[in-house]
Amino acid sequence: SQTIHQWPATLVQPVGSPLSLECTVEGTSNPNLYWYRQAAGRGLQLLFYSVGIGQISSEVPQNLSASRPQDRQFILSSKKLLLSDSGFYLCALTAPNEKLFFGSGTQLSVL
Amino acid sequence: AQTVTQSQPEMSVQEAETVTLSCTYDTSENNYYLFWYKQPPSRQMILVIRQEAYKQQNATENRFSVNFQKAAKSFSLKISDSQLGDTAMYFCAFTPGGSYIPTFGRGTSLIVHP
Repeated sequence: SQTIHQWPATLVQPVGSPLSLECTVEGTSNPNLYWYRQAAGRGLQLLFYSVGIGQISSEVPQNLSASRPQDRQFILSSKKLLLSDSGFYLCALTAPNEKLFFGSGTQLSVL
Repeated sequence: AQTVTQSQPEMSVQEAETVTLSCTYDTSENNYYLFWYKQPPSRQMILVIRQEAYKQQNATENRFSVNFQKAAKSFSLKISDSQLGDTAMYFCAFTPGGSYIPTFGRGTSLIVHP
């Protein structure tokens, strides 16, 4: 069965600092991978998705970027964090029957 | 573009009773999938139940069942014999067949009272 490793669980960063969140998956090959952001107590906003190595689609223009250097690795980055980047970030993958498996998430606080 | 609407931001229910969470969606697709996800206080998103649009039979998973009304574009979740562990945010989601981009509703916060 699929497993998603996402770290760190909690991150506090100053405004203007860089960001790198990593997500790795096990138990599947060539998954579709996703980065979501969840504002406090609210719904999920799709940020990026990837259908293969090096293939990234952005859903929301912003100062974040994503990369997929390996089949099972998906990275969310920023060169300079903004206060508005605070939130709960979730990595997810699509199983063959189109349901989503989610990682445990990273709570990012930009101060 | 597809939209998913959850009109109940918050719901509450007494333990052992039944509660129904509403979800409506808008699409021109004929083939699609519908999901309910649960996010407990731990914030781990968990799939509760899944429904294929081409199936008329409503999906059931133990105490969780759906009322899928395709013509009305409605997909409600019924939780029977509510338990304290059912306290969570519940998200309705829609994925067109052949697409990998799900659309989520804004969620319903459910509190189960002892």
